[in-house]
Amino acid sequence: GAGVSQSPRYKVAKRGQDVALRCDPISGHVSLFWYQQALGQGPEFLTYFQNEAQLDKSGLPSDRFFAERPEGSVSTLKIQRTQQEDSAVYLCASSLRASGSDTQYFGPGTRLTVL
Amino acid sequence: GQQVMQIPQYQHVQEGEDFTTYCNSSTTLSNIQWYKQRPGGHPVFLIQLVKSGEVKKQKRLTFQFGEAKKNSSLHITATQTTDVGTYFCAGKDGGSQGNLIFGKGTKLSVKP
Repeated sequence: GAGVSQSPRYKVAKRGQDVALRCDPISGHVSLFWYQQALGQGPEFLTYFQNEAQLDKSGLPSDRFFAERPEGSVSTLKIQRTQQEDSAVYLCASSLRASGSDTQYFGPGTRLTVL
Repeated sequence: GQQVMQIPQYQHVQEGEDFTTYCNSSTTLSNIQWYKQRPGGHPVFLIQLVKSGEVKKQKRLTFQFGEAKKNSSLHITATQTTDVGTYFCAGKDGGSQGNLIFGKGTKLSVKP
């Protein structure tokens, strides 16, 4: 498929466990974004990559959250020592260019539940 | 920091009625985008507005960007059951690298 894909689609973790969420953007897209969406809320920005460079990580809620995109394509969002408040859907989006005016194409999200 | 507020939070309409959701930003925006998220789905891009006072139409949907580029609206004429979902506005101010600030969304339900 040509869309953004994310894996796993669902993840259940015990509190304190580390998790890794994967995003495969649309091929050739320069920009990649991670958002956190709590139930009944809008997506909240976490971090932004332009190719392999992480240009903005101001939305990461704590130092337990870490994201990387080492080769400028696939990205991984890692959450260490998960807490219950980390339970949410994690959305990845990509856009063609570096401009913030581009359409963002969202993946299906990973629903993380921390018990 | 920049905030984007959206009202109403919920709207229940009878099929065939009109629907409007409003979006207000605390700062002037360089552009505003609208997304629709179906229940259980992910946000899907609808449109982007860039110019002050801009109005764009997509069939029964009309999008407006305010003159001051701080507010926007989405109006749906004669709603259908396929319009059900949550509509989000998302704005970008001139200072941000590229990330969008999303409103909390308006959840539309349509009674047949």
